[in-house]
Amino acid sequence: EVQLVQSGAEMKKPGESLTISCEGSGYTFTSKWISWVRQMPGKGLEWMGRIDPRDSYTNYNPSFRGHVSMSVDTSIDTAYLQWTSLKAADSAMYFCARSGGVSENWFDSWGQGTLVTVSS
Amino acid sequence: DIQMTQSPSSLSASIGDRVTITCQANQDISNYLNWYQQKPGEAPKLLVYGASNLQTGVPSRFSGNGSATDFSFTISNLQPEDFATYYCHQYDDLPLTFGGGTKVEVK
Repeated sequence: EVQLVQSGAEMKKPGESLTISCEGSGYTFTSKWISWVRQMPGKGLEWMGRIDPRDSYTNYNPSFRGHVSMSVDTSIDTAYLQWTSLKAADSAMYFCARSGGVSENWFDSWGQGTLVTVSS
Repeated sequence: DIQMTQSPSSLSASIGDRVTITCQANQDISNYLNWYQQKPGEAPKLLVYGASNLQTGVPSRFSGNGSATDFSFTISNLQPEDFATYYCHQYDDLPLTFGGGTKVEVK
């Protein structure tokens, strides 16, 4: 069974750094891209960007580029989303999701979500 | 960015109803359009990919149609478990973008 399991909820202060994770299992981790999707409270879905675990090639949504970074550790089949300086506006639910290549760019498996709360 | 306009933003329906949601792109995206269902407190779930292909395990009462700029998503016989929010999602170009969502509520 394909699974993406995300790290637990986080409560942080503005200016702090944070890394959340997404561990894949039940499939060959390097065969699928991992995307990150933000959902602010009561709002819709926003694609933040994606990473190819084969070579760590990334595509970022310009709206998020420079504020977050994505990485992977293929030795433990895990993808990461990182912030160096959080803002209150980063408070949201963050999902990881896997997709195939350019011609199969649908999210067929999702993590359970990581709730990030940023407050002073 | 490709803008996806989804309508309606919400609708009320009864068990057994036929429900249709539309999604319009502001440029031609061929058939590069997916539909997801999200229930409160849960991750989204893929229902339809490539505009009209039903994901494995998804009931046949769900269907998708359309191409270019105009797409539709239909639930033919609404069931209690179908009350949720539905999103369209284009993958023709980066950044990938979603529609604003349609909340299907109990009438």
